[in-house]
Amino acid sequence: EAEVAQSPRYKITEKSQAVAFWCDPISGHATLYWYRQILGQGPELLVQFQDESVVDDSQLPKDRFSAERLKGVDSTLKIQPAELGDSAMYLCASSFTGFSGNTIYFGEGSWLTVV
Amino acid sequence: KQEVTQIPAALSVPEGENLVLNCSFTDSAIYNLQWFRQDPGKGLTSLLLIQSSQREQTSGRLNASLDKSSGRSTLYIAASQPGDSATYLCAVEYGNKLVFGAGTILRVKS
Repeated sequence: EAEVAQSPRYKITEKSQAVAFWCDPISGHATLYWYRQILGQGPELLVQFQDESVVDDSQLPKDRFSAERLKGVDSTLKIQPAELGDSAMYLCASSFTGFSGNTIYFGEGSWLTVV
Repeated sequence: KQEVTQIPAALSVPEGENLVLNCSFTDSAIYNLQWFRQDPGKGLTSLLLIQSSQREQTSGRLNASLDKSSGRSTLYIAASQPGDSATYLCAVEYGNKLVFGAGTILRVKS
């Protein structure tokens, strides 16, 4: 069964360092999402892509976070510089189109610990 | 502000018991509502999706209901099993945006 691939699964980084996460969505899925999930809370959307275009990045802290999906396939989420409050799980998800009845598939997530 | 609340935050039941998880949302102008399962340290798996025009959806031992007017949804799990132990998250779709609750942590004891 096709899966959303994410790497790395775990990352420990020091405060003020740069960190990057990679996501490869299910083949053919035009919509890609990056969510952040703090322990004990539900996921919150950081950025949503439709093909290579950003649809929603209203909750992305743009002073330190950036995301790209250059060829409309895989995507990278970068944090620079990392802060202690960025410790969380970063989830990538994809769907055939946007929501409204389309199943959304999540990857296993990337755990970030900032020390 | 669109908020989704799940009660209880945690639930522990003996194997075989039927149980109900609750989800409430502040804005009733929803497109649909989904229930997800999340195992510890893992991603989310979609369980059931209820369109705004529907009242309920069933899959195996799971039944989800939706009452838009009261802003509530319930997830009913019949004959619970230890393998059902996980966090269950409710997510409400508003336009092109999915708003999640904090989840209910379920433990089914054998």
